[in-house]
Amino acid sequence: DAGVIQSPRHEVTEMGQEVTLRCKPISGHDYLFWYRQTMMRGLELLIYFNNNVPIDDSGMPEDRFSAKMPNASFSTLKIQPSEPRDSAVYFCASSFGGSDNTEAFFGQGTRLTVV
Amino acid sequence: TQLLEQSPQFLSIQEGENLTVYCNSSSVFSSLQWYRQEPGEGPVLLVTVVTGGEVKKLKRLTFQFGDARKDSSLHITAAQPGDTGLYLCAGFYDKVIFGPGTSLSVIP
Repeated sequence: DAGVIQSPRHEVTEMGQEVTLRCKPISGHDYLFWYRQTMMRGLELLIYFNNNVPIDDSGMPEDRFSAKMPNASFSTLKIQPSEPRDSAVYFCASSFGGSDNTEAFFGQGTRLTVV
Repeated sequence: TQLLEQSPQFLSIQEGENLTVYCNSSSVFSSLQWYRQEPGEGPVLLVTVVTGGEVKKLKRLTFQFGDARKDSSLHITAAQPGDTGLYLCAGFYDKVIFGPGTSLSVIP
């Protein structure tokens, strides 16, 4: 298996533009997580899905952020409109099961820069 | 307020030295995990500790879970440049939370 695949690896966009980040989880995994990592705040959980259904989106910073999982093999995280403070590395992770000792497999991340 | 605190924040040591990094909380966790993140990559799970007082070894890495299940430590013996990275602890509260990490640099 190729692991969790994220695209693009790098994204530079202008403030106010819409940004869409994409993720393909590991086949067979039933949980999918979106994280954001910054120097100031570390690794923060934004939202997670179980069997394609959003379970907890309390980490989504504001209404400009939205995430979807239309099927078991694809998810998107959208920011509209983007702002410079959204600059961060965004990670997608997937796991089989969601218990407290389940291993999460991370993608390589998307480095977003909003100028 | 961080539910998980890690110390030190940064650590730079010479190859061959030993080191210990810590993960602390005021909350009790049913388990704690340690991940290592290399530059430009996502975190990779190293170990999960689930029993208070548990010690797990992974080659030169020794992980310990505190008796009260509120803290954990990671000890590296004879550090090598390949150990360089960000070490993150993670616990499950009402969802998985990560500590801020310890950035380790091992100088050849």
